[in-house]
Amino acid sequence: KNEVEQSPQNLTAQEGEFITINCSYSVGISALHWLQQHPGGGIVSLFMLSSGKKKHGRLIATINIQEKHSSLHITASHPRDSAVYICAVSAWRDNTDKLIFGTGTRLQVFP
Amino acid sequence: KAGVTQTPRYLIKTRGQQVTLSCSPISGHRSVSWYQQTPGQGLQFLFEYFSETQRNKGNFPGRFSGRQFSNSRSEMNVSTLELGDSALYLCASSLTSYEQYFGPGTRLTVT
Repeated sequence: KNEVEQSPQNLTAQEGEFITINCSYSVGISALHWLQQHPGGGIVSLFMLSSGKKKHGRLIATINIQEKHSSLHITASHPRDSAVYICAVSAWRDNTDKLIFGTGTRLQVFP
Repeated sequence: KAGVTQTPRYLIKTRGQQVTLSCSPISGHRSVSWYQQTPGQGLQFLFEYFSETQRNKGNFPGRFSGRQFSNSRSEMNVSTLELGDSALYLCASSLTSYEQYFGPGTRLTVT
């Protein structure tokens, strides 16, 4: 079983819809990251969370440390939001923090 | 500030050859991490360098190695290339332990 699980794996939406991507993890973490990867390959860091909720424009990320669960929400989705969204956790391993990645959620937003 | 740069962006090599990839971090960042991304395994951590020392290493064979120079620029080398080494290689630099800034990646194809 993967230490970081994301759902769904694939998601399609119509422009304007509210989108939720979920991430569950089974290890102790110091932080959780949401990353966005566009088809060209480059990765952009969207959020880094250790508790509560963060908002940036139409993106909202929440984390529940007790339940080991995080969600990424996109309000009023747009075709330019089409990308792969990756959840990653910073976990303490071998005396240092390591990033462990989920397998990603591929989002397609149609006009 | 300029972002993380990686060279070359694309590379085609033959089995058995070796390859060197380069990463220039954001100015002032002393930590550089390398990741491999493949369709089958997703994103996996290769190694991290901080102030010219390897601080952390993932579960990859010894054919994968790296180094960091005094100006924080980093290189990774893969010797005796195998078909399975075809992947997108990403580097990320950071100022703190948690927040990482990713480069655009080098897409390596081994034929």
